[in-house]
Amino acid sequence: EPEVTQTPSHQVTQMGQEVILRCVPISNHLYFYWYRQILGQKVEFLVSFYNNEISEKSEIFDDQFSVERPDGSNFTLKIRSTKLEDSAMYFCASRPGQGGETQYFGPGTRLLVL
Amino acid sequence: AQKVTQAQTEISVVEKEDVTLDCVYETRDTTYYLFWYKQPPSGELVFLIRRNSFDEQNEISGRYSWNFQKSTSSFNFTITASQVVDSAVYFCALKGNTNAGKSTFGDGTTLTVKP
Repeated sequence: EPEVTQTPSHQVTQMGQEVILRCVPISNHLYFYWYRQILGQKVEFLVSFYNNEISEKSEIFDDQFSVERPDGSNFTLKIRSTKLEDSAMYFCASRPGQGGETQYFGPGTRLLVL
Repeated sequence: AQKVTQAQTEISVVEKEDVTLDCVYETRDTTYYLFWYKQPPSGELVFLIRRNSFDEQNEISGRYSWNFQKSTSSFNFTITASQVVDSAVYFCALKGNTNAGKSTFGDGTTLTVKP
């Protein structure tokens, strides 16, 4: 069964460094998402992406965040200058499109900012 | 604005007991979608079920069943004869009918099933 994959599974970085989290959505899916989950808290929406542009973003998704679909398969989340409070699990998700409303989540990348 | 409330923060049961996880939602959309996800200790989000707002039929899948009551804006999840492997955090989520289709999650309910 097709799955969303994410790399790396864990990343440790120093405050102020840039990180890129990578995702490979399910191949025929059209909508892509990033969510984050701070340890022990709920899953929060960051951004949705469709047709090579951002469809919607939350107030969390400020100027330090960006997303890109550099080729036909990868979907990346970049954090330009990491802060301690960016430490969280980051989930990528994708869904097929019209009529396909279920979002399928990847296994997550656990980011730790020191 | 969308909102999902899972009033039960933690539930602890003994194996073989039945347990119901509550979910209440708010939305202005007339068409919307409700989900339950399981998050085991390993951290991934496992999709369990989707229910469309226009389909109020309840569903049973093995030991799992879901009760969707549009009149009370609730989408409760029952595990029958719970097992230790059911121990996890369970999230209820709501997706509206916009193209972007983001999901709003509840705070989650931590279920502990003791042997």
